[in-house]
Amino acid sequence: AQKITQTQPGMFVQEKEAVTLDCTYDTSDPSYGLFWYKQPSSGEMIFLIYQGSYDQQNATEGRYSLNFQKARKSANLVISASQLGDSAMYFCAMREGWAGNTGKLIFGQGTTLQVKP
Amino acid sequence: GAVVSQHPSWVICKSGTSVKIECRSLDFQATTMFWYRQFPKQSLMLMATSNEGSKATYEQGVEKDKFLINHASLTLSTLTVTSAHPEDSSFYICSARGGPRRDEQFFGPGTRLTVL
Repeated sequence: AQKITQTQPGMFVQEKEAVTLDCTYDTSDPSYGLFWYKQPSSGEMIFLIYQGSYDQQNATEGRYSLNFQKARKSANLVISASQLGDSAMYFCAMREGWAGNTGKLIFGQGTTLQVKP
Repeated sequence: GAVVSQHPSWVICKSGTSVKIECRSLDFQATTMFWYRQFPKQSLMLMATSNEGSKATYEQGVEKDKFLINHASLTLSTLTVTSAHPEDSSFYICSARGGPRRDEQFFGPGTRLTVL
């Protein structure tokens, strides 16, 4: 069964506007971590933001914020004030269990974001 | 942040040959390394998890004899694609777990393999 789902294959946003990239997940483990990565055309995976399942507040990192709705099992990424350099593929990922386990990440299908000037 | 390197960054080889890809954690000791495969415009698929000094744990459907993983030290893991065929052409990415917080995961820049 798909554990991480990104339902938006592609998204467009106007420069300087905000955009939300959707991510839903499925796990029966009460301890898990959710990650967002950016992958530009160069292929490198750039870590953006992390949310732990027990974190009380939504994570924020600069222009990135994670809208964590635990009951709905969603972890949407919000990018504020989009820039042309934000054009890339974005992946949501989940790590099940405590950090002391193997730590393997399961990735969603990805969303390609294009920022229009 | 911690740095993970991969070598080579790209490689072209003939069908039937073997190719070795190295993954190194440059400024930290990696307790665990992961190997992913990514086809164009698709997601990263985990191939295997390796711990230093022990055998790699392969994901279901990944051929162990085809993709040989050696984790010789806390800073080096290698992936060897044996008897490569055109369908093995892909982007291979490694990640290393470790660093000051010990549970962070850092990705290498990837290796693009093209098998002719």
